Amino acid sequence: AQSVTQLDSQVPVFEEAPVELRCNYSSSVSVYLFWYVQYPNQGLQLLLKYLSGSTLVKGINGFEAEFNKSQTSFHLRKPSVHISDTAEYFCAVSRNAGGTSYGKLTFGQGTILTVHP
Amino acid sequence: DGGITQSPKYLFRKEGQNVTLSCEQNLNHDAMYWYRQDPGQGLRLIYYSQIVNDFQKGDIAEGYSVSREKKESFPLTVTSAQKNPTAFYLCASRRGAHGYTFGSGTRLTVV
Repeated sequence: AQSVTQLDSQVPVFEEAPVELRCNYSSSVSVYLFWYVQYPNQGLQLLLKYLSGSTLVKGINGFEAEFNKSQTSFHLRKPSVHISDTAEYFCAVSRNAGGTSYGKLTFGQGTILTVHP
Repeated sequence: DGGITQSPKYLFRKEGQNVTLSCEQNLNHDAMYWYRQDPGQGLRLIYYSQIVNDFQKGDIAEGYSVSREKKESFPLTVTSAQKNPTAFYLCASRRGAHGYTFGSGTRLTVV
């Protein structure tokens, strides 16, 4: 089974400052890794995903994440945030091979990012 | 445009009543999922279906039921046996190994 831990439930930051949202995962098999963003009362929008290859993944809206296999982490970063980045962010994993849990996403608890002017 | 439609967006239910949440997709995806979202707990899997006429329990299936009679549709029924049904419910579908699409959600409130 997989599990995901988002280390910060809330992250306040000032506009134009850099931000890092931390995500650690646990899995006995190889996984795909995802970051999603959710605005109030809306569904999830994919920011980026790691499938294989380069460990640095670039996504939409200037976000990027780095896969670190030895530390089982997939932290999300943005060098300069905007007010519009205020939202809840979810890290998720799914196994990348067959089995009964194939295709199921396991989510972290979420991190609320609040950008202050 | 292809996508997932969840309806209604807001739903109110009296205690003791069953209620059905709709999820329709026109993406031709085989797999579909229902998640429940509560503040501070992330999204938890209720039920999923890999193919028509087949579905499996997720991590928190008690008090819920589903059907998958058509590829496009995966309705979720919240029964009176669900002790704490007030939550935000998200439906998703999957293409291939990692192509997920989410609906915009239904907020269910028990009054």
